[in-house]
Amino acid sequence: EPEVTQTPSHQVTQMGQEVILRCVPISNHLYFYWYRQILGQKVEFLVSFYNNEISEKSEIFDDQFSVERPDGSNFTLKIRSTKLEDSAMYFCASSKSGGANEQFFGPGTRLTVL
Amino acid sequence: AQSVAQPEDQVNVAEGNPLTVKCTYSVSGNPYLFWYVQYPNRGLQFLLKYITGDNLVKGSYGFEAEFNKSQTSFHLKKPSALVSDSALYFCAVRDINSGNTPLVFGKGTRLSVIA
Repeated sequence: EPEVTQTPSHQVTQMGQEVILRCVPISNHLYFYWYRQILGQKVEFLVSFYNNEISEKSEIFDDQFSVERPDGSNFTLKIRSTKLEDSAMYFCASSKSGGANEQFFGPGTRLTVL
Repeated sequence: AQSVAQPEDQVNVAEGNPLTVKCTYSVSGNPYLFWYVQYPNRGLQFLLKYITGDNLVKGSYGFEAEFNKSQTSFHLKKPSALVSDSALYFCAVRDINSGNTPLVFGKGTRLSVIA
């Protein structure tokens, strides 16, 4: 069964550094998402992406964040100038379409900012 | 604005007993409702969804959920719990009329099934 994959599984970085989190969505899916989960808290939406552009973003997704689909398979989340409070589990998800279709989640990247 | 409430942080149940994990929601229109499960160090795994039609939906691993419009609830149930069901369960909602709005998740309920 096809799966969403994410790399790396764990990223440790120094405050102020840039990180790129990578995701490979399911191949025939058209909608892509990033969510984050701070330890012990609920899953929060960051951004959705469709047809090579951002379709929706939350207030968390400020100028520090950007997303890109650099080729036909990868979907990346870039965090510039990381802050301590960016430490969280970041999940990528994809779906065939919006609306009623369920989103399939990757295993996550644990980001630790020191 | 959409929201989901999972009133219980933790649910404990004995193996073989029925389990219920509660979820209530708030949307301006009609909802799409989802349940996801998260095992330790893993991503969220889709269990089941309600779109329209039958109020009782069946999903993976013997789980089912009942949509109740008047009570705005979508409780997750299983007739006989297994120790392997122990995990974190998330309810999520999306408003049908809001296009491709993101899923809004509850804070999660930790289910512990005791042998």
